[in-house]
Amino acid sequence: EDQVTQSPEALRLQEGESSSLNCSYTVSGLRGLFWYRQDPGKGPEFLFTLYSAGEEKEKERLKATLTKKESFLHITAPKPEDSATYLCAVQGNNQGGKLIFGQGTELSVKP
Amino acid sequence: SAVISQKPSRDICQRGTSLTIQCQVDSQVTMMFWYRQQPGQSLTLIATANQGSEATYESGFVIDKFPISRPNLTFSTLTVSNMSPEDSSIYLCSVEPGSTEAFFGQGTRLTVV
Repeated sequence: EDQVTQSPEALRLQEGESSSLNCSYTVSGLRGLFWYRQDPGKGPEFLFTLYSAGEEKEKERLKATLTKKESFLHITAPKPEDSATYLCAVQGNNQGGKLIFGQGTELSVKP
Repeated sequence: SAVISQKPSRDICQRGTSLTIQCQVDSQVTMMFWYRQQPGQSLTLIATANQGSEATYESGFVIDKFPISRPNLTFSTLTVSNMSPEDSSIYLCSVEPGSTEAFFGQGTRLTVV
């Protein structure tokens, strides 16, 4: 069964304190791994798609990496505006576009 | 990318009634997806809607409870029928506009009292 587990559930950082969020997954044939940011009361905002082990993508203070079993979202020198819930999802081959989501990591960055 | 508009953004409904949620996309897409996000939980796929065919429902979701329409390539509706407090959730529409990036609407926050 396809499954996604994110850790930690919640993370509190001081502004400028870099850290990483983890997404472990099991899927029968990975088509893509997705990272989203979700602010309270809003829909998920697309950040990255990773397709194969070894791939990395960056956007401002965020960098996503992928191995065959997990993905990391590295946050460098975070700012309070980075506070949000970060969701990881996988899409398997022959899944018809279905995304399997993890529970998310709630990130809080204090000034 | 795709711009997705959902209506209503939120609603408070009486138990036993039904609510229809609309999803409008600014471009033609083959597949549209409806997700549910229960309080404190992550997203769960309800069904996949393709234009011109019946929606495909995930395990645990049935057409009688969540009927879906897909009249054209830019629009879909999800109805939550005979609502109970357990249906209180955020309902989200999603599309894949020709790539594997899935974009989401802002969601409909439903409270059933």
